[in-house]
Amino acid sequence: SAVISQKPSRDICQRGTSLTIQCQVDSQVTMMFWYRQQPGQSLTLIATANQGSEATYESGFVIDKFPISRPNLTFSTLTVSNMSPEDSSIYLCSVFAGQNTIYFGEGSWLTVV
Amino acid sequence: AQKITQTQPGMFVQEKEAVTLDCTYDTSDPSYGLFWYKQPSSGEMIFLIYQGSYDQQNATEGRYSLNFQKARKSANLVISASQLGDSAMYFCAMREGYMIKAAGNKLTFGGGTRVLVKP
Repeated sequence: SAVISQKPSRDICQRGTSLTIQCQVDSQVTMMFWYRQQPGQSLTLIATANQGSEATYESGFVIDKFPISRPNLTFSTLTVSNMSPEDSSIYLCSVFAGQNTIYFGEGSWLTVV
Repeated sequence: AQKITQTQPGMFVQEKEAVTLDCTYDTSDPSYGLFWYKQPSSGEMIFLIYQGSYDQQNATEGRYSLNFQKARKSANLVISASQLGDSAMYFCAMREGYMIKAAGNKLTFGGGTRVLVKP
């Protein structure tokens, strides 16, 4: 299994500002993924973050809005830039931990006012 | 077309009874996997069970079992002996392709089913 820690767990932000969410894993993993869950909705993949390469973004998500860093095999950050109320969501990172398991962090609840 | 469909937006279940949550999927990839996650009100996603497309037997994990009907493209979750702590949102998700590649670990989620266990 893998233990995944996210920071912050919750935050309230002013529109127009940016927030960086951190994801720390207790073991080295090749693949990390960032998801967004808007209120009352299901999860949608934002991007795939592999160490040593640029993140790969899904349709509808762009690097300028959601820049991602992956400096090593245990850590990644997602920044939500120039926030608007529509960005209010839970942001979750996930990792492939082997043995056919994909684990998620506890999520970061973001409210934009 | 929806890749993962959960037709039950919400359901009640009596404590100690079993409940079945429906999930149907759509893929043309011969290698795929199906996951079930539990999301309590705290927001975390808790991994419950996994079924691979090549697995011969239905997956089981404690009180959770997966009724995998490949020809019908369904992967229903069965929770036996429901407990009050089972009250949560449940998501079915699918990965497509081989897990050794990044694309094979991307998940597509269904809309979820909210379960409320009554005492």
